[in-house]
Amino acid sequence: ETGVTQTPRHLVMGMTNKKSLKCEQHLGHNAMYWYKQSAKKPLELMFVYNFKEQTENNSVPSRFSPECPNSSHLFLHLHTLQPEDSALYLCASSQVSGGADTQYFGPGTRLTVL
Amino acid sequence: AQKITQTQPGMFVQEKEAVTLDCTYDTSDPSYGLFWYKQPSSGEMIFLIYQGSYDQQNATEGRYSLNFQKARKSANLVISASQLGDSAMYFCAMRGKTSYDKVIFGPGTSLSVIP
Repeated sequence: ETGVTQTPRHLVMGMTNKKSLKCEQHLGHNAMYWYKQSAKKPLELMFVYNFKEQTENNSVPSRFSPECPNSSHLFLHLHTLQPEDSALYLCASSQVSGGADTQYFGPGTRLTVL
Repeated sequence: AQKITQTQPGMFVQEKEAVTLDCTYDTSDPSYGLFWYKQPSSGEMIFLIYQGSYDQQNATEGRYSLNFQKARKSANLVISASQLGDSAMYFCAMRGKTSYDKVIFGPGTSLSVIP
């Protein structure tokens, strides 16, 4: 595997379900990100982890719970979601070094909440 | 507050022609970075090109070039010799002065390449 991978690619869940999204980066980066992309809205940053420590929580509801066990893996735990949470969830990683620090994205998980 | 504006919700271009996608930004930081990403219908955001605010020359990457006009706060993406595979959403993004600043994205431009 190369780059940033995300599983599952598609997920349909009920409002009472609990599920998790997984992201893995194979780039040796030290920062990872979760973004939400809803239809007709700009990409929204949800969480940032630098060196496994959460450094940003962009006013995300508590029904979204991130976990970063190491610098290569990032999870987004989901519980009691609402239909408006249906969106494309993108994971990204970057090497924070003071340069361009370009973020590289995974293919996303398309989530539908029924 | 930082802001990215992309005024073209949709663009069409003939195959093999060049196209310019507009991006203007607003920031009070003297140092910042500008990015362009491509998002095909599959969903993945693909990094295309980067321009630092202090870079003397406009960035180029293959068929992509960034027309950076700092005084106008614009960072337009130029795609030369368009290909059918260029049909996608294109997002302009900006990061503040430090690596720890958030990257904010514009609303995107949908590009369709016509055979």
